[in-house]
Amino acid sequence: EPEVTQTPSHQVTQMGQEVILRCVPISNHLYFYWYRQILGQKVEFLVSFYNNEISEKSEIFDDQFSVERPDGSNFTLKIRSTKLEDSAMYFCASNTGTANEKLFFGSGTQLSVL
Amino acid sequence: DQQVKQNSPSLSVQEGRISILNCDYTNSMFDYFLWYKKYPAEGPTFLISISSIKDKNEDGRFTVFLNKSAKHLSLHIVPSQPGDSAVYFCAAINMEYGNKLVFGAGTILRVKS
Repeated sequence: EPEVTQTPSHQVTQMGQEVILRCVPISNHLYFYWYRQILGQKVEFLVSFYNNEISEKSEIFDDQFSVERPDGSNFTLKIRSTKLEDSAMYFCASNTGTANEKLFFGSGTQLSVL
Repeated sequence: DQQVKQNSPSLSVQEGRISILNCDYTNSMFDYFLWYKKYPAEGPTFLISISSIKDKNEDGRFTVFLNKSAKHLSLHIVPSQPGDSAVYFCAAINMEYGNKLVFGAGTILRVKS
């Protein structure tokens, strides 16, 4: 079964540094998402992306965050200047966008900001 | 923001018995509900869903019940198996506002053999 892949599985960075989390969504999917889960908390929506632009974002997704689809396969999340509170598991997800269709999630990138 | 609530952080069940995971929501505009299962070091995996126009959906050992008037849904697993041990997330969508999932905090299910 096709799957969403994320790299790296773990990312450790110093506070203030930029990080880029990478995702390869399922090839025929059109909608892409980033979610995150801070340890012990619920999975939270960050942003959705369709047709090369952001379709929706949460209040978490401030100016420090950006997303990009640099080519036909990758979907990236960039955090420009990481903060301690950005430490979380970041999940990429995708689907075709059909109404009520389930999301397919990647296995996540654990980001640790020191 | 507690639009989707799973009030039981954990549940322990004997193999072969029924597991019942509960979820409450506050936003009456939600029109689609999903359950995801998550193993350690993996992403959430879709399990089963239900539209707000239905009150029950069944898929093998898994059944989801929706009580709209009570804004409550539950996931029943019968019979429970040790491989069902995972974190279960309830999630909801307001389709008018796109495909954004609003998740509950999750319930850790342990099935003992």
